[in-house]
Amino acid sequence: EDQVTQSPEALRLQEGESSSLNCSYTVSGLRGLFWYRQDPGKGPEFLFTLYSAGEEKEKERLKATLTKKESFLHITAPKPEDSATYLCAVQPARGPLGAAGNKLTFGGGTRVLVKP
Amino acid sequence: GAGVSQTPSNKVTEKGKYVELRCDPISGHTALYWYRQSLGQGPEFLIYFQGTGAADDSGLPNDRFFAVRPEGSVSTLKIQRTERGDSAVYLCASSIYRNTEAFFGQGTRLTVV
Repeated sequence: EDQVTQSPEALRLQEGESSSLNCSYTVSGLRGLFWYRQDPGKGPEFLFTLYSAGEEKEKERLKATLTKKESFLHITAPKPEDSATYLCAVQPARGPLGAAGNKLTFGGGTRVLVKP
Repeated sequence: GAGVSQTPSNKVTEKGKYVELRCDPISGHTALYWYRQSLGQGPEFLIYFQGTGAADDSGLPNDRFFAVRPEGSVSTLKIQRTERGDSAVYLCASSIYRNTEAFFGQGTRLTVV
């Protein structure tokens, strides 16, 4: 069974204080690892997809990296508007019946609060 | 519309009642997903449609839950004999194809009293 564990559960940062969020996963063949941002009362907003170990992607103050066992989301010089819950999810290469995987298995998320 | 639309935004129902939750995916997206999210948790997969057919319903918790997508666009999640444990935010997502990034709606907050 696919599993995703995110740490820490919550993170309080001062504006400008860089930090990293961890996403550890186990999956029987990874097709893709996804990062989403979720604001209170809203649905998850897509950020990145990573497909293979060593891959990196950046968007503004966010950079996502991937190894064979975990992914990191680095937040550089965060601003208060970066406050949100960040969700990590894995998509398997194959589903339970051998067909191409589709569903995402999510971690519990990391709640980030950036104080001015 | 530009994004995934879910109606209603909020639904309060009495225990034992039947409810329907609607999802309008992004136009042209063939894949549609339903997830359920409890407070403080990540979304949990319920069911996946490719076109009109349910390609994977392994996440539906029991036979009180059912979903349809009769014309390959709008989907309805149906819950019979609701229980207080069904209270959660129900999220719908769509993607162009099966294995591309999914875009989520804002969710329907279901409260069973």
